[in-house]
Amino acid sequence: EAGVAQSPRYKIIEKRQSVAFWCNPISGHATLYWYQQILGQGPKLLIQFQNNGVVDDSQLPKDRFSAERLKGVDSTLKIQPAKLEDSAVYLCASSADRTGRNEKLFFGSGTQLSVL
Amino acid sequence: GNSVTQMEGPVTLSEEAFLTINCTYTATGYPSLFWYVQYPGEGLQLLLKATKADDKGSNKGFEATYRKETTSFHLEKGSVQVSDSAVYFCALSNSGYALNFGKGTSLLVTP
Repeated sequence: EAGVAQSPRYKIIEKRQSVAFWCNPISGHATLYWYQQILGQGPKLLIQFQNNGVVDDSQLPKDRFSAERLKGVDSTLKIQPAKLEDSAVYLCASSADRTGRNEKLFFGSGTQLSVL
Repeated sequence: GNSVTQMEGPVTLSEEAFLTINCTYTATGYPSLFWYVQYPGEGLQLLLKATKADDKGSNKGFEATYRKETTSFHLEKGSVQVSDSAVYFCALSNSGYALNFGKGTSLLVTP
């Protein structure tokens, strides 16, 4: 089966610019996650969707980050305006689990963002 | 809150050596515990899991036992191969919340 698709693979922008990332989860997966992975650290959850509803966005910096999941399939994550500390790999993951037990996530290869 | 702490890397081993990567956790209740692996150039993937105390997760020769008394989930493999070179992440999930990851441990296996 096709995996989680993310684009672009790399992005370089200047601070205060805006950027958007796209994710296409595995077909049929109800739950979608966006994680931020700063170099040398583990992934940190930004937002979790169940179908097209938000389950957890408590760690999303809402003054500059936004995310949507239209029709419960694809998702976009946007940063506007970007700061230097946003330089990281942005990982999208999906799960078939509908119970919230989060037992197996499938990750995309990520988008590496560099903010100059 | 929920958190995991894993040993600092990088870990460098010779092929066929014994591997242990330590992981301890802090959580209320009964979390599920996981090891994820990231091979060079690839996305994170689930290696093994354990959902209750004394469970042993195993896959590809790797094992980890959920020890509630020591709040630990150490990853072990009896004989590592060059192809095991990767970054290993310990993670937990509690009460339906999304996975909470450790910082990762880089493993390099030399021939």
